[in-house]
Amino acid sequence: AQKITQTQPGMFVQEKEAVTLDCTYDTSDPSYGLFWYKQPSSGEMIFLIYQGSYDQQNATEGRYSLNFQKARKSANLVISASQLGDSAMYFCAMREGNAGNMLTFGGGTRLMVKP
Amino acid sequence: GAGVSQTPSNKVTEKGKYVELRCDPISGHTALYWYRQSLGQGPEFLIYFQGTGAADDSGLPNDRFFAVRPEGSVSTLKIQRTERGDSAVYLCASSSSRGDTQYFGPGTRLTVL
Repeated sequence: AQKITQTQPGMFVQEKEAVTLDCTYDTSDPSYGLFWYKQPSSGEMIFLIYQGSYDQQNATEGRYSLNFQKARKSANLVISASQLGDSAMYFCAMREGNAGNMLTFGGGTRLMVKP
Repeated sequence: GAGVSQTPSNKVTEKGKYVELRCDPISGHTALYWYRQSLGQGPEFLIYFQGTGAADDSGLPNDRFFAVRPEGSVSTLKIQRTERGDSAVYLCASSSSRGDTQYFGPGTRLTVL
């Protein structure tokens, strides 16, 4: 079974609007962390936001927020007020507490912001 | 400060040749990771160093792949007898300690002809 599933291969959003990128995960480990990375066409993975499994509140970083629904095992990324520079691949990743330090990535979602 | 750097940015080689890929982590970061990203996919874990030692090498696909970090800073990923299936972007990341956020370099695009 896939540990991280991103069901949207591609998404369009109008500039200045909000967009939600979906991520569901699968783990039996009670301690885990969820990450979102942005990968522009240049190829570098840019860290956006982190959510720990024991965090009580949803993480926020500027225009990025994470809609963490633990019971549903989902960790969707919300980008508010989209900008043209937000066009990129977005990857959801998980680190499980008892599985070493590796990140397991989803297949990614390509976001395209329309002017 | 400077981020993670990787050299070369691109490497083209012929099947059967040996290649070395270098990663220079963020200064002071004790943990270093290698991932491989095939076209259209998310990165896949290869190996993790804590200091000089490989703490987890469970992602290395076979014994043609080897990585070192002799002084606990720069790391080199070594691939022997390259195959066309080794073509991918090899990403390096570092973190200040185990469990912290991993920061990635720009990657090395390896093409095996």
